[in-house]
Amino acid sequence: DAKTTQPNSMESNEEEPVHLPCNHSTISGTDYIHWYRQLPSQGPEYVIHGLTSNVNNRMASLAIAEDRKSSTLILHRATLRDAAVYYCILSGVGNEKLTFGTGTRLTIIP
Amino acid sequence: DTGVSQDPRHKITKRGQNVTFRCDPISEHNRLYWYRQTLGQGPEFLTYFQNEAQLEKSRLLSDRFSAERPKGSFSTLEIQRTEQGDSAMYLCASRPTPNTDTQYFGPGTRLTVL
Repeated sequence: DAKTTQPNSMESNEEEPVHLPCNHSTISGTDYIHWYRQLPSQGPEYVIHGLTSNVNNRMASLAIAEDRKSSTLILHRATLRDAAVYYCILSGVGNEKLTFGTGTRLTIIP
Repeated sequence: DTGVSQDPRHKITKRGQNVTFRCDPISEHNRLYWYRQTLGQGPEFLTYFQNEAQLEKSRLLSDRFSAERPKGSFSTLEIQRTEQGDSAMYLCASRPTPNTDTQYFGPGTRLTVL
């Protein structure tokens, strides 16, 4: 599985946008970029995924670099409930398992 | 849709005892996954089922571990002769079809081996 690199931790103020970066320089052409998050004492939760184009859903936006070697998860207006560990994961077609790294621990400051 | 459920949520056992965890996936999800998560780490894949067939097992799944999904619905994960190194959160996830990428996770079972 191609490797992803994320900062260990980030802080953001409540009600401000948050940009969570992920580097994946060895991504292959068929790898999808997935983001999951894990709130304290809970299982991981799907956030968003994409292949080449930027993606938006009710939770977040995913901005994918043109060369696909990096991506950014954007939370438009952080709330205290967004405090979690965010994982950036690459997964190819037919790959059943998710390979988690250590993720980015996001702290929201009231 | 009631989500993936796991039972028990917490289990404390003594070294050498056997433990069994249960996972109930979202109804009609034919794929079911088990992961293990130790403190400060991301979840690690253990095994997965398509209906009742166990299709892949990680090298992490030693001979003391066995997983079943006898009727293609709920699944059990048994650990025999538990060791302190087995202490972890055991997570279950399910997925509706091969063409849907999203895995839906349960809350996990936290195992503590004394």
